[in-house]
Amino acid sequence: DTGVSQDPRHKITKRGQNVTFRCDPISEHNRLYWYRQTLGQGPEFLTYFQNEAQLEKSRLLSDRFSAERPKGSFSTLEIQRTEQGDSAMYLCGATRGLEAIQYFGAGTRLSVL
Amino acid sequence: AQSVTQLGSHVSVSEGALVLLRCNYSSSVPPYLFWYVQYPNQGLQLLLKYTSAATLVKGINGFEAEFKKSETSFHLTKPSAHMSDAAEYFCAVSDTSNQFYFGTGTSLTVIP
Repeated sequence: DTGVSQDPRHKITKRGQNVTFRCDPISEHNRLYWYRQTLGQGPEFLTYFQNEAQLEKSRLLSDRFSAERPKGSFSTLEIQRTEQGDSAMYLCGATRGLEAIQYFGAGTRLSVL
Repeated sequence: AQSVTQLGSHVSVSEGALVLLRCNYSSSVPPYLFWYVQYPNQGLQLLLKYTSAATLVKGINGFEAEFKKSETSFHLTKPSAHMSDAAEYFCAVSDTSNQFYFGTGTSLTVIP
């Protein structure tokens, strides 16, 4: 158990709909990361939080994407007006304290029809 | 920015044979280096990490990796492949910026 859970595991939506994913790390995880992974590729960094502060966002994160971590615990990633190109696995990773190891959830697989 | 190159997107080995997965990194500062394994429709599981202690790092499931600064490499090895090792393997690098950079992955197939 990595201590990071993601919900839902799978999401199927129609183009143009909004979707929201959730990541729940255990309390010791102070840094939380979101990645997008497409088939045959490694995870691509989207954004990360130090506690509740969003410290960095990738240029991949268009204005249709928004992430929050309101209380420094769970985080949500919302995609508005989904496009077929958003179809991917969305991974959440978290690190504990000063430890440089990232622990991952099982991911949310998004399919946009 | 850091980057990671994994040579060989697909590697096939016979069961019981040596596994060698290659990873080269670019880093202007001493990095943290990681190998992760991913099974279908799963998240990434940490195999091992290098954080400036011993250059030969032992991980789970019999895997190990050697940090070679002169070659900027961190290749993953296992003496004897098992069928259960079939998966996607990712090399990653991190530095003091707290960002992680992943390679494009190597798919390992184990032939019975």
